[in-house]
Amino acid sequence: DAKTTQPPSMDCAEGRAANLPCNHSTISGNEYVYWYRQIHSQGPQYIIHGLKNNETNEMASLIITEDRKSSTLILPHATLRDTAVYYCIVRANAGNNRKLIWGLGTSLAVNP
Amino acid sequence: EPEVTQTPSHQVTQMGQEVILRCVPISNHLYFYWYRQILGQKVEFLVSFYNNEISEKSEIFDDQFSVERPDGSNFTLKIRSTKLEDSAMYFCASRAGGPDTQYFGPGTRLTVL
Repeated sequence: DAKTTQPPSMDCAEGRAANLPCNHSTISGNEYVYWYRQIHSQGPQYIIHGLKNNETNEMASLIITEDRKSSTLILPHATLRDTAVYYCIVRANAGNNRKLIWGLGTSLAVNP
Repeated sequence: EPEVTQTPSHQVTQMGQEVILRCVPISNHLYFYWYRQILGQKVEFLVSFYNNEISEKSEIFDDQFSVERPDGSNFTLKIRSTKLEDSAMYFCASRAGGPDTQYFGPGTRLTVL
């Protein structure tokens, strides 16, 4: 699975959009971009995933560049409860295993 | 909304003792996983399980570890003789199939004294 690079930490004001970048320059054609988050030692929580088109759900939007070498997770109106570590993971959707390989993620602090 | 559950939430044991961590995956899911996270470190893959057998395991998952799906609902991780370095959060995850995502339980904090 491709390696991802994320900034170690970011700050965001409550109510503002949080834009979390991820670089995955070695991504291959069959690999998806997944985003999870982990709120202080809780179980990781799935947020969103995409292949090449931009995606939106009730939690967030995912913008993937045309060359697929980077992506941005957008939390449109961040709240204090969005303070968490956000993980960008690239993984192929093939085979029975599909384990997730985790990096250190981005620690997002949403400030009042 | 269906969710993955894990018990106990916290387990304290003495070094050398056996522990069993329990998970109830989402009911129609077919693929099951264990991960662990040592305090302050990355989440690490341990093992994946499908069709009643291990499909992949990591280097961490040595002979001291085993997994079992004893009935139609539970998925367990057994550590036969715990070591101090087994102290970590252990997360269970499950996936329905196809391109579906993995959904995680709240974790079991294992403390080995």
